[in-house]
Amino acid sequence: NAGVTQTPKFQVLKTGQSMTLQCAQDMNHEYMSWYRQDPGMGLRLIHYSVGAGITDQGEVPNGYNVSRSTTEDFPLRLLSAAPSQTSVYFCASTPTAHYNEQFFGPGTRLTVL
Amino acid sequence: AQKITQTQPGMFVQEKEAVTLDCTYDTSDPSYGLFWYKQPSSGEMIFLIYQGSYDQQNATEGRYSLNFQKARKSANLVISASQLGDSAMYFCAMREGPGYGNNRLAFGKGNQVVVIP
Repeated sequence: NAGVTQTPKFQVLKTGQSMTLQCAQDMNHEYMSWYRQDPGMGLRLIHYSVGAGITDQGEVPNGYNVSRSTTEDFPLRLLSAAPSQTSVYFCASTPTAHYNEQFFGPGTRLTVL
Repeated sequence: AQKITQTQPGMFVQEKEAVTLDCTYDTSDPSYGLFWYKQPSSGEMIFLIYQGSYDQQNATEGRYSLNFQKARKSANLVISASQLGDSAMYFCAMREGPGYGNNRLAFGKGNQVVVIP
């Protein structure tokens, strides 16, 4: 198993550009989520999904969209990038919504100029 | 209001010694879970240990143990016999509610640990 994969590893955007951060898992996990980590901070939840076709907002959803058309993929879309969205983005998955361990991807480091 | 508080400054610990990382939390929900994750300098997040609010015993996983003091709302991580590979940032996190249909984690700001030979 590849586990949780994220692409790209690094990205630089200009203010106002849009892009999609990709997240995929090959473990048939139902639950997936996106977090962001700012310098000196812990992770904050952006959006999550309890299964294909079901998504919900986390703590900091503004400026981001998600969809979950398949069990494997959970892309995160930035509609109009802002410097405040400069961060490291982590995708995570668990077998079910009540499983304790979350499996994290390696992260995407995004810089918005 | 901050749900997870980790306020210790960076810590230096001698190899083979034990280290305790402090974590306090704030919730009014009687059912919750507490987690510790490790983030080495390479950046990945590694799950270490879990404690449920109704668990009678303190959780242990190898060299990691969780000192759970419910009345004080504290969930300190103890790493015994520190190794050089334990140098990392350590994050305490909480999930409120019983966990069914909910795996939303709130993280603290982390504790930096450096193990010296």
